[in-house]
Amino acid sequence: GEDVEQSLFLSVREGDSSVINCTYTDSSSTYLYWYKQEPGAGLQLLTYIFSNMDMKQDQRLTVLLNKKDKHLSLRIADTQTGDSAIYFCAESGGTDKLIFGTGTRLQVFP
Amino acid sequence: DADVTQTPRNRITKTGKRIMLECSQTKGHDRMYWYRQDPGLGLQLIYYSFDVKDINKGEISDGYSVSRQAQAKFSLSLESAIPNQTALYFCATSDPGQNTDTQYFGPGTRLTVL
Repeated sequence: GEDVEQSLFLSVREGDSSVINCTYTDSSSTYLYWYKQEPGAGLQLLTYIFSNMDMKQDQRLTVLLNKKDKHLSLRIADTQTGDSAIYFCAESGGTDKLIFGTGTRLQVFP
Repeated sequence: DADVTQTPRNRITKTGKRIMLECSQTKGHDRMYWYRQDPGLGLQLIYYSFDVKDINKGEISDGYSVSRQAQAKFSLSLESAIPNQTALYFCATSDPGQNTDTQYFGPGTRLTVL
């Protein structure tokens, strides 16, 4: 079945780059997403990438997609304390539903 | 004002009680979803509705029921709450008219079943 996997934790120093990785199984996914969840809040869409793209950049965020390996990554440049949150990748499961990963908790320390 | 609202934001209840969680949206979206979030498990889909007359079970619908009272309202009920239903519950909406399947989430309801 469809499955989306992420590592659970990532800890980085303020100012460094963060790279959050995700693997998925459904090769028919049209879009892949990154959502951010801040403490006590719901998920907010951070960015998404169309499946026929390799890369998408949006300010400090860079999304890389390797379709062959079914690997998605989110790079946050110049990570700030305000970036501390849980990051979820998700794929569109081909049935108008999203399949979410387990989430990666990013901790940024000074 | 928030586009997707959930009430209550926090609820503590006892085993066996009936609980209703409510979700309202002002986005005009046809599609609505209920998820639960448990640490280390991500989000699991409970039920989803593509319009007022279309309701579908998700991955973990046992022990839950839903009601789509109107386009803007989608309620989740626990008929007889049990402790392993303690979780964070999220409602979400999406618009099939968009090219993407982006979902928009409410702030969540934290439910504790004692």
